[in-house]
Amino acid sequence: GAVVSQHPSWVICKSGTSVKIECRSLDFQATTMFWYRQFPKQSLMLMATSNEGSKATYEQGVEKDKFLINHASLTLSTLTVTSAHPEDSSFYICSAQISDTQYFGPGTRLTVL
Amino acid sequence: RKEVEQDPGPFNVPEGATVAFNCTYSNSASQSFFWYRQDCRKEPKLLMSVYSSGNEDGRFTAQLNRASQYISLLIRDSKLSDSATYLCVVNGVGSFDKLIFGTGTRLQVFP
Repeated sequence: GAVVSQHPSWVICKSGTSVKIECRSLDFQATTMFWYRQFPKQSLMLMATSNEGSKATYEQGVEKDKFLINHASLTLSTLTVTSAHPEDSSFYICSAQISDTQYFGPGTRLTVL
Repeated sequence: RKEVEQDPGPFNVPEGATVAFNCTYSNSASQSFFWYRQDCRKEPKLLMSVYSSGNEDGRFTAQLNRASQYISLLIRDSKLSDSATYLCVVNGVGSFDKLIFGTGTRLQVFP
């Protein structure tokens, strides 16, 4: 089946630093990828839709200047959490779509101290 | 009202039991429905899509009731390995691709 990878799988950083998370589609090309965030015991919340070659579309309440998304190729989308704060600590998951099915990456657990 | 609502559980059932989960959604225009499974600290994985006519995959049966806007998942002959959180997922308003997730129903199967 389709495989989506993420890197890193976990990261711990100091408050104020920026963290980049990569999402790759390993055996297919994805013009659209999605970035989600999941806080403990809560549902996945869509943050933004990443479109190859164009600007990402952000969901209401998600700051585009804080969560920078770059989708420079058909197999790679990156999410950069700028000036991270403890409240940004969460599980970040990307997905890529084939037909009507979304395949999720393994997620990145971010802890901001 | 949440767009997708589920009973968080947990549902604690013995091996071999039959267990059913329900989910309601608020947007009558939704067209796509799914059940995903999420293990602790892992990503969601597609369990099955839900079709209007209902569909079955082994021990799992999914049903959709558009009139009442609810979706169900039935698991027969529960296995220990079925222990996980089951997420009800519906496509978003105005966009086929966007997925709206419920908070999930936790299932714990015990020996």
